Amino acid sequence: EIVLTQSPATLSVPPGERATLSCRASQSVGSNVAWFQQKPGQAPRLLIYGASTRATGIPARFSGSGSGTEFTLTISSLQSEDFAVYYCQQYNNWYTFGQGTKLEIK
Amino acid sequence: EVQLVESGGGLVQPGGSLRLSCAASGFTFSSYEMNWVRQAPGKGLEWVSYIDSRSSLIFYADSVKGRFTISRDNAENSLSLQMNALRDGDTAIYYCATTSMTYWSQGTLVTVSS
Repeated sequence: EIVLTQSPATLSVPPGERATLSCRASQSVGSNVAWFQQKPGQAPRLLIYGASTRATGIPARFSGSGSGTEFTLTISSLQSEDFAVYYCQQYNNWYTFGQGTKLEIK
Repeated sequence: EVQLVESGGGLVQPGGSLRLSCAASGFTFSSYEMNWVRQAPGKGLEWVSYIDSRSSLIFYADSVKGRFTISRDNAENSLSLQMNALRDGDTAIYYCATTSMTYWSQGTLVTVSS
């Protein structure tokens, strides 16, 4: 099973600043990585697929990068609605998710 | 508008059974592969099962293999998950989700407890 490790577990950033979230895979997954946002009481929302392609309707302030085993989600200027939990997922070999990064207001 | 509406969650004793359903609308259900994903209370996401558009390919996570059965009815635009021999560790919110997890249901809570 491919293990995804997200860091940090919690990230505190002021509104308007940049947030950088990391995801490391235990073996190469190519570019088969997606990122999801989840708010309390809601289903996850797809943000990025193919490591760097924004899903339909996702604002341009969300960007993804990486390949192989190292991936990054960057939110360029945090808005109030961006504070949530973020999960990376690999779909190169079935599906596994990272344990999540909680993005909180500083 | 794409909608995935679940039903069937609830409280069940260990060793019991439950069947979840997911009704799809707003897209050509018969063309989409589907998944079940679960989330234990306060925990992360876990993929549970996959079924292709024609029910030809079916896969399960090791944690549910032999106990859970995924199925679909393309004529009725519905997806199901039959869960048998339920354990405490199966307690979670269960979501159905489309190919590449673009669309998700609202989730239904399954609680396994005596």
